[in-house]
Amino acid sequence: EAQVTQNPRYLITVTGKKLTVTCSQNMNHEYMSWYRQDPGLGLRQIYYSMNVEVTDKGDVPEGYKVSRKEKRNFPLILESPSPNQTSLYFCASHPSGRTDTQYFGPGTRLTVL
Amino acid sequence: KQEVTQIPAALSVPEGENLVLNCSFTDSAIYNLQWFRQDPGKGLTSLLLIQSSQREQTSGRLNASLDKSSGRSTLYIAASQPGDSATYLCAVPGGGNKLTFGTGTQLKVEL
Repeated sequence: EAQVTQNPRYLITVTGKKLTVTCSQNMNHEYMSWYRQDPGLGLRQIYYSMNVEVTDKGDVPEGYKVSRKEKRNFPLILESPSPNQTSLYFCASHPSGRTDTQYFGPGTRLTVL
Repeated sequence: KQEVTQIPAALSVPEGENLVLNCSFTDSAIYNLQWFRQDPGKGLTSLLLIQSSQREQTSGRLNASLDKSSGRSTLYIAASQPGDSATYLCAVPGGGNKLTFGTGTQLKVEL
């Protein structure tokens, strides 16, 4: 089954404690991205990757890091989380140039105290 | 910068009603528009994709229209059911191979 998986699904942490949210896709898609969703603001792109070792900033990259060492994985790293990063995070993937066939993960709800 | 707006933010209707959700965008230079459904605790599911050359797209009880010149799209849901309760999002392609999303309409269909 074609899918994007994220872990963990729920996470409560404290300010400053480094964390990683993993994302994996099994469709051999070149393109992967991370979004965050906040009430009244919709989904906003954090970072994206066009292929292995190629990443770039989206609209709201501050406070986040990503890496793309393998095609299937695209982890989101919060080196020093702060309460304003409390949000619902989605990972997505699609074939290069085809935003119309984008697959989304189930989301990770992060709370930073 | 593309901005996408959805009205209303929330909607509650009795079962069986036909309803319309609205989406507007500021930059009409788009090549498609998508409507997604979001259920609590789950990811986004693509419902309909309208190419810029199309005016309408239908799937079952759902019908989406696109008017690029006015920067608007509507999602029509016929004979609504409680199972239609969800948040509906519209999205258009943006720079960096991303989607620019609206803020969504939270729909509740009551028995």
